[in-house]
Amino acid sequence: GGIITQTPKFLIGQEGQKLTLKCQQNFNHDTMYWYRQDSGKGLRLIYYSITENDLQKGDLSEGYDASREKKSSFSLTVTSAQKNEMAVFLCASSISGGALSAETLYFGSGTRLTVL
Amino acid sequence: GNSVTQMQGQVTLSEEEFLFINCTYSTTGYPTLFWYVQYPGEGPQLLLKVTTANNKGSSRGFEATYDKGTTSFHLQKASVQESDSAVYYCVLGSNSGGSNAKLTFGKGTKLSVKS
Repeated sequence: GGIITQTPKFLIGQEGQKLTLKCQQNFNHDTMYWYRQDSGKGLRLIYYSITENDLQKGDLSEGYDASREKKSSFSLTVTSAQKNEMAVFLCASSISGGALSAETLYFGSGTRLTVL
Repeated sequence: GNSVTQMQGQVTLSEEEFLFINCTYSTTGYPTLFWYVQYPGEGPQLLLKVTTANNKGSSRGFEATYDKGTTSFHLQKASVQESDSAVYYCVLGSNSGGSNAKLTFGKGTKLSVKS
């Protein structure tokens, strides 16, 4: 088995601040993802990466940057935190045999962001 | 584009009652359909998935049938336990729809089971 580790678990920021979230996986999976989870809205894809140094935008990429430094790690940056923003950011990985739409995702337990 | 509809935001049951969570989807072609479950304080995890139309998937007493005719993938369990309390997401996997996101999540249904 493997595990996805997200740090920090809780993140409190100020309006306008740049904030970075980190994710590590030891599954040796090729593809990694960042999702945003808002209450009552399901999960929305921010960025994903199919290999080291690759980046693909999701439907919610505006206001975010991402970086796939190496196969096992994928970081997300909130470029300018919005006042009163509250959300959970979930990192995931999949083995990537090529058909991303049929792959099982393995999720971390999330980073909870609060912006004051 | 692709979409997934879960009409029930919340379901409350007593132990040993029958569970039915409604899920319908819209897409073209032949998608893969998933149910993910998220327990408190954890990330979602795969409950079951079905890749072929008119097939049934099952896991841990839960089952769902991929019905292409009615574009539905309802989740059922004959007898729930308190430990089943969680949020359940219906998910559509498709390469069509024009989005870069290959998976479309429903809004989730929160199940609360009382002992």
